[in-house]
Amino acid sequence: QVQLVQSGAEVKKPGASVKVSCKASGYTFTSYGISWVRQAPGQGLEWMGWISAYNGNTNYAQKLQGRVTMTTDTSTSTAYMELRSLRSDDTAVYYCARDSDYIAALDYWGQGTLVTVSS
Amino acid sequence: QSALTQPASVSGSPGQSITISCTGTSSDVGSYNLVSWYQQHPGKAPKLMIYEGSKRPSGVSNRFSGSKSGNTASLTISGLQAEDEADYYCCSYAGSSPWVFGGGTKLTVL
Repeated sequence: QVQLVQSGAEVKKPGASVKVSCKASGYTFTSYGISWVRQAPGQGLEWMGWISAYNGNTNYAQKLQGRVTMTTDTSTSTAYMELRSLRSDDTAVYYCARDSDYIAALDYWGQGTLVTVSS
Repeated sequence: QSALTQPASVSGSPGQSITISCTGTSSDVGSYNLVSWYQQHPGKAPKLMIYEGSKRPSGVSNRFSGSKSGNTASLTISGLQAEDEADYYCCSYAGSSPWVFGGGTKLTVL
């Protein structure tokens, strides 16, 4: 069965960086993309960006351009999302989701990783 | 890209039907039949309920249905059950910045 398992919670100081991992299993990793979506406390979902696990192409949300980098390691079927220059308003649960061209939707989601930015 | 507009909350009694609207623009909902709907219970990850406007993934109850008219998509849940109480988010393909979400709707089953 398809599973996306994310790394554990992180606490960071303002200005620091965080790197969240998302290990995929149960499907051919390179046949799908991975989108990253975040959710601030009590707020809605915000799409952050997408990476093709096939060729590494990326597409980032304009508001995060320059601060976010998404990568994949096909040898371990793992996607990564790094966010730099963290601010307090980056405090959120970060989700990875399988981005399916076949059905144009985010069909499987990781369990989420809480990133807390606090001095 | 602005978020899609959803009502903040809806409610219904068990057995009733409710509809959640999702209004976008001619650049997203109106241009593509690629609206998806996600259910999120507190503390849990979102779950795909509807894709491509009206299609249900395997395992999703046929009590959930989707539709679209112009720039507005809708999710209808019939035969409301207690376990349907959750937050619901619409999402549309939007071209160059592919996915835009709605602000979410809290469904209360009375």
